[in-house]
Amino acid sequence: DAKTTQPNSMESNEEEPVHLPCNHSTISGTDYIHWYRQLPSQGPEYVIHGLTSNVNNRMASLAIAEDRKSSTLILHRATLRDAAVYYCILHPYNYGQNFVFGPGTRLSVLP
Amino acid sequence: EPEVTQTPSHQVTQMGQEVILRCVPISNHLYFYWYRQILGQKVEFLVSFYNNEISEKSEIFDDQFSVERPDGSNFTLKIRSTKLEDSAMYFCASSEGGGGRNEQFFGPGTRLTVL
Repeated sequence: DAKTTQPNSMESNEEEPVHLPCNHSTISGTDYIHWYRQLPSQGPEYVIHGLTSNVNNRMASLAIAEDRKSSTLILHRATLRDAAVYYCILHPYNYGQNFVFGPGTRLSVLP
Repeated sequence: EPEVTQTPSHQVTQMGQEVILRCVPISNHLYFYWYRQILGQKVEFLVSFYNNEISEKSEIFDDQFSVERPDGSNFTLKIRSTKLEDSAMYFCASSEGGGGRNEQFFGPGTRLTVL
């Protein structure tokens, strides 16, 4: 699986937008970009995924660079509940089942 | 909203004993997975299961581990003879399809403590 690079940690203030970056310069044309998060003492939770176009859902937005070598997860208004480790994962379109988790970005949200 | 459930939430066992961890995947999902997370470390893939057989497994998933779908709803992970280093959170996940098009939904985990 192609590798991703994320900052170890980030901080945000409550009710402000958060932009979590991910670099994936070796991404292949058929790799989907997935974002998961893990709240303390819980299992990973799906956030969003996309291939080429930007994506929005009720939890977040995913902005994918035109060359696909980087992406940004956007939380529009951080809450204390968004404090978690966020993982950016690449996964091939049509084969393989396992997700390869890296260390992720630990997001702290300050009241 | 449908969710993956796991039982028990915490299992304590003696080294050398067998344990079975249970999962109920989301009902229309076809792919099932086990991952583990040793305290303070990354989430690691163990095995994926599709069409009643293992489709992928990692190096961690040795002969001590086995998986089964004994009926239409449960998916189990058995560790035959537990070791101290098997102490970890074990997460079950499921997805509608395989590959990157499909998101995986994770359960809350079973904390396994081997004494």
